[in-house]
Amino acid sequence: GAVVSQHPSRVICKSGTSVKIECRSLDFQATTMFWYRQFPKQSLMLMATSNEGSKATYEQGVEKDKFLINHASLTLSTLTVTSAHPEDSSFYICSAGWGGETQYFGPGTRLLVL
Amino acid sequence: RKEVEQDPGPFNVPEGATVAFNCTYSNSASQSFFWYRQDCRKEPKLLMSVYSSGNEDGRFTAQLNRASQYISLLIRDSKLSDSATYLCVVKWGEKLTFGTGTRLTIIP
Repeated sequence: GAVVSQHPSRVICKSGTSVKIECRSLDFQATTMFWYRQFPKQSLMLMATSNEGSKATYEQGVEKDKFLINHASLTLSTLTVTSAHPEDSSFYICSAGWGGETQYFGPGTRLLVL
Repeated sequence: RKEVEQDPGPFNVPEGATVAFNCTYSNSASQSFFWYRQDCRKEPKLLMSVYSSGNEDGRFTAQLNRASQYISLLIRDSKLSDSATYLCVVKWGEKLTFGTGTRLTIIP
């Protein structure tokens, strides 16, 4: 089946630093990738839709200047959390669509901001 | 009102029992429906798509009632490995909306 990878799987950083998370589709080309965030005991919330070669579309309430998304190729999208704060600590998951119906999820990145 | 609502549980059921989960959604224009399972600290994985005609995959049966905007999942002969959080997911356009999930624990 389709495979989506994420790197890093886990990151701990100091407050005020920026963190970049990579999402790769390994065996298919993804014109669209999605970034989600999941806080403990809550469901996944879509943050933004990443479109190859164009600007990302952000969901209401998600700051585009804080969560920078770049989708430079058909197999790579990156999410940069700028000036991270403890409240940004969360599980960040990307997904990519394949076959038009389902989305395949990456293994997620656990971010802890101290 | 949440877009996708599920009973959060937890459901603690003995091995071999049958368990049913329900889900309701608010967007009548939703196009596709799914059940995902998520293990602790892992990403969600697709369990099955849900169709109006009902569909079955081994011990799992899913049903969709578009008129009532209601989705169900039935697990028969539950196994220890079925312990997970089950997420009801609704798709509109390219966007997936997740329910908060129902936590299931199968007891030996």
